[in-house]
Amino acid sequence: DIQLTQSPSFLSASVGDRLTITCRASQDISSYLAWYQQRPGRAPKLLIYAASTLQSGVPSRFSGSASGTEFTLTISSLQPEDFATYYCQQLSSYPLTFGGGTNVEIK
Amino acid sequence: EVQLVESGGGLVQPGGSLRLSCAASGFTFSDHYIDWVRQAPGKGLEWVGRTRSKAKSYTTEYAASVRGRFTISRDDSMNSLYLQMNSLKTEDTAVYFCTGAYYDGSAYYFAYWGQGTLVTVSS
Repeated sequence: DIQLTQSPSFLSASVGDRLTITCRASQDISSYLAWYQQRPGRAPKLLIYAASTLQSGVPSRFSGSASGTEFTLTISSLQPEDFATYYCQQLSSYPLTFGGGTNVEIK
Repeated sequence: EVQLVESGGGLVQPGGSLRLSCAASGFTFSDHYIDWVRQAPGKGLEWVGRTRSKAKSYTTEYAASVRGRFTISRDDSMNSLYLQMNSLKTEDTAVYFCTGAYYDGSAYYFAYWGQGTLVTVSS
């Protein structure tokens, strides 16, 4: 199975901060990676797919990039509604797997 | 508007069975791959399984943790997806989400999500 290691697992930040979350795959997954945002008590929401493509309707402050087996999600200027948990997911091979999550909280 | 609505969750004893349903609307259900994802209380997301579309003969994939115990099926005439869960274990306790996949030409991404239904396995 492909393991996804997210870092950090917890992050405390302020409104307006620039944030970067990293997801490392245990093997080559090409660009078959997605990022999801989950607010408490809500279903996850697709933010980025194919490593760097912004899902329709998602604010442009979110961006994704890839370098080999390392993927990053960047939020250029954190907004109050961005405080949530973020997950990466690989869709390269079965079983489909998620990273452990990054909990972004207000400083 | 795309909607996915899960139902059928509840309390069940270890070893018991439960059938979850997911009613879809607002998109061409029969063309889509549909997945189940679960989330144990306070934990992360875990993929459970997938059913492909009619064009791919409704073939399925499962996580190792549920293979042989869970069965995914669908009724395109009713725009509905089902998850039959047998031989339930306490570690199956979770909120179960159905998700509709968006195809970007090379992979299927989980674009649409239901609100989830809670399954509690306990004696």
